[in-house]
Amino acid sequence: DAKTTQPTSMDCAEGRAANLPCNHSTISGNEYVYWYRQIHSQGPQYIIHGLKNNETNEMASLIITEDRKSSTLILPHATLRDTAVYYCIVKSGGSNYKLTFGKGTLLTVNP
Amino acid sequence: GAVVSQHPSRVICKSGTSVKIECRSLDFQATTMFWYRQFPKKSLMLMATSNEGSKATYEQGVEKDKFLINHASLTLSTLTVTSAHPEDSSFYICSARPRDRVVNEQFFGPGTRLTVL
Repeated sequence: DAKTTQPTSMDCAEGRAANLPCNHSTISGNEYVYWYRQIHSQGPQYIIHGLKNNETNEMASLIITEDRKSSTLILPHATLRDTAVYYCIVKSGGSNYKLTFGKGTLLTVNP
Repeated sequence: GAVVSQHPSRVICKSGTSVKIECRSLDFQATTMFWYRQFPKKSLMLMATSNEGSKATYEQGVEKDKFLINHASLTLSTLTVTSAHPEDSSFYICSARPRDRVVNEQFFGPGTRLTVL
């Protein structure tokens, strides 16, 4: 699975959009980009995933660059409850479903 | 939908005792469940992959005789920490992969905080 690089921490003002970047320059053609987040002392929560096209759901949007070497998770209107560690994980399809969590980005949403 | 529960949420035990943690998928069937451990201020570390009806696959460095995993049904996996010691104190989290999903979408339980005195 391709390695990912994320900033250690970011801050965002409540109500503003939070844009969390992820670099995955060694991603291969069959690998998906997944985003999870973990609020303090809770289990991780699935947010979104994508392969090539941009994706949007009720939680967030995922923008993947045309060369697929990086992506951005967008929380359109961040709230205090969005304060969490956000993990970007690149994973191929197939039958190996193990997820490898890196250090992620601690997003702090400030009032 | 896609809810995973864990029980207990917190447990405190004496050194040398065994502790069983349950992971249940409440509204879906999961052929594969995963067990993770997380130490304070660290990321999740995968301990083992649990497949329904077969033996678990352990990650390198995880003692299979110490961390017993049973996945007896499509909705339940258990992790037993045998002869627990203070260094086993950690946050244990399970995840479950719905059997009917094509992509690798996993749903995580709320975690179990184990404290060994």
